[in-house]
Amino acid sequence: SQKIEQNSEALNIQEGKTATLTCNYTNYSPAYLQWYRQDPGRGPVFLLLIRENEKEKRKERLKVTFDTTLKQSLFHITASQPADSATYLCALHEGGFKTIFGAGTRLFVKA
Amino acid sequence: DTAVSQTPKYLVTQMGNDKSIKCEQNLGHDTMYWYKQDSKKFLKIMFSYNNKELIINETVPNRFSPKSPDKAHLNLHINSLELGDSAVYFCASSQDGAGGALNIQYFGAGTRLSVL
Repeated sequence: SQKIEQNSEALNIQEGKTATLTCNYTNYSPAYLQWYRQDPGRGPVFLLLIRENEKEKRKERLKVTFDTTLKQSLFHITASQPADSATYLCALHEGGFKTIFGAGTRLFVKA
Repeated sequence: DTAVSQTPKYLVTQMGNDKSIKCEQNLGHDTMYWYKQDSKKFLKIMFSYNNKELIINETVPNRFSPKSPDKAHLNLHINSLELGDSAVYFCASSQDGAGGALNIQYFGAGTRLSVL
């Protein structure tokens, strides 16, 4: 079955820099991929969705890429701010009514 | 006005007890889910319902019994609680279970269950 791998180590960056988070999947390429943000003590919040025929998607300071050859999606936050500190989850729709989530990567942005 | 609300937020109980978690969504969505997030923060699907009908049961012990009285509500009842049931349980909804934007999940704030 499909597995999602996200970097389990936290990512520490300085304010103003670009944060890049990685999501790798193991099997078939999904039709689309989602990214969510989760703050401590809260439920995940949807950020962006990218389809397999889209190489890149942007929303304000966020950018997602999708490379079906590498079986990888990259999530970028430009001009990062301390308020961007959170855990970011990658998710794939496995078909039917099932979505699987990666374990997430924790991002810390230092002022 | 909260889109997906679940109660209670915290639940502390003894092993062997029975407890329930309630979830309601006011988004008009057809599909609702229960997820379990363990101590390693891994979010795993337990059940999904579409229009009150059980669609997915992810090899969850039958001590866990979901119930959907209508498509806006999905409750989770847990019998004979065990230490390993301690986790955060999230309710979520989506427009439907199909692909694309229709499958974007909206989550509740979670219920932190501690079994002593």
